[in-house]
Amino acid sequence: EADIYQTPRYLVIGTGKKITLECSQTMGHDKMYWYQQDPGMELHLIHYSYGVNSTEKGDLSSESTVSRIRTEHFPLTLESARPSHTSQYLCASQERGGPYNEQFFGPGTRLTVL
Amino acid sequence: AQSVAQPEDQVNVAEGNPLTVKCTYSVSGNPYLFWYVQYPNRGLQFLLKYITGDNLVKGSYGFEAEFNKSQTSFHLKKPSALVSDSALYFCAAVGKAAGNKLTFGGGTRVLVKP
Repeated sequence: EADIYQTPRYLVIGTGKKITLECSQTMGHDKMYWYQQDPGMELHLIHYSYGVNSTEKGDLSSESTVSRIRTEHFPLTLESARPSHTSQYLCASQERGGPYNEQFFGPGTRLTVL
Repeated sequence: AQSVAQPEDQVNVAEGNPLTVKCTYSVSGNPYLFWYVQYPNRGLQFLLKYITGDNLVKGSYGFEAEFNKSQTSFHLKKPSALVSDSALYFCAAVGKAAGNKLTFGGGTRVLVKP
């Protein structure tokens, strides 16, 4: 079982609220990722980080932002949530090295914006 | 740009019968290929990967996959399916041009009937 945690697991909020989705890992991995999984199951990379103070946007444009102040922590923030942000958000980590290393996924946060 | 295709949205199989989930990929250069499984309300779990060498890769829970370079395929197989194998299966690929960023297929839902 991978040691990567996401909180909350489920969140229902109203439009316009600011929210932060937490992601933490205890494996000391340098690389971390955020994916958005839509109802059709497909996963889209929205943010990634290769180390402390390093963050990049992914392939899918997202209004969310991320930070990486500590190796183990990679929170995702939405300043003003909208119904279009309703989705499942998955966090993943990967150890240092090449892309041949597998990613470890957290259990996900299912976000519903009313 | 790299891409991964899983041509079947759903695969139905009777318990005890062989299970195959199809995947084809398009990446530049030599690919690294992965299979992940997702159970309800859970994150993705790593099953197996192909890096180099033997085209037949064995993974967790009795699954295996065969890398076929000429057909650019990486089909997932299990000789005898269990009801507990019912889940979502994702194929993923990464090539040198994309750095560390995985591209996922759209997912295939497997339903194993008793």
